[in-house]
Amino acid sequence: QVQLQQSGPGLMKPSQTLSLTCAISGDSVSTDSATWNWIRQSPSRGLEWLGRTYYRSKWYFDYAVSVKSRMTIIPDISKNQFSLQLNSVTPEDTAVYYCARGLGNLLNWFDPWGQGTLVTVSS
Amino acid sequence: EIVLTQSPGTLSLSPGERATLSCRASQSVNSIFLAWYQQKPGQAPRLLIYGASSRATGIPDRFSGSGSGTDFTLTISRLEPEDLAVYYCHQYGTSPRTFGQGTKVEIK
Repeated sequence: QVQLQQSGPGLMKPSQTLSLTCAISGDSVSTDSATWNWIRQSPSRGLEWLGRTYYRSKWYFDYAVSVKSRMTIIPDISKNQFSLQLNSVTPEDTAVYYCARGLGNLLNWFDPWGQGTLVTVSS
Repeated sequence: EIVLTQSPGTLSLSPGERATLSCRASQSVNSIFLAWYQQKPGQAPRLLIYGASSRATGIPDRFSGSGSGTDFTLTISRLEPEDLAVYYCHQYGTSPRTFGQGTKVEIK
């Protein structure tokens, strides 16, 4: 059974860098049959896919246009996890952040999801 | 961007009743790229249906998905109290991947 365990701070100040980690058990971050995704949820924007990484003989990265200039996903094979870094956060980045495994080759549905991390950006 | 519009916003039914949730897309979605998720209060979303009609592992058969083109439906054949949740549709065939705004199912 695949489980995703998230960790990271919940309170940020504007302009700081958000860092969240998603530890994987029951699967491998370097598998060639899944992708590893970050999704956020807020009352104003609903569910919003942010980006993903996947390994197909080499590492690939996709990001949503809305965060592309500020976001980096970092896979870590040694710890079997992947991380999100979001630079220069603003109050608009306040949301619950989820990691999720993507299945279905590269056109993915998401299963399972991490437990979620509420991130609040406030001065 | 494909906009997914879910209706109704809230559905209030009694245990044992049938729930029919709609997801309408602003342009055609290949049905193999449509999923449904259940989000219970305080929890992360959980996959129910992928490929418009395939149940995820461990999902009871009272949940079923159907539809094609721009109109998709999630049906809960016999509501149970634990089905209290918000249900989201999701299209993943066209970038950017998008989600509906959700339908809240209340149990009378």
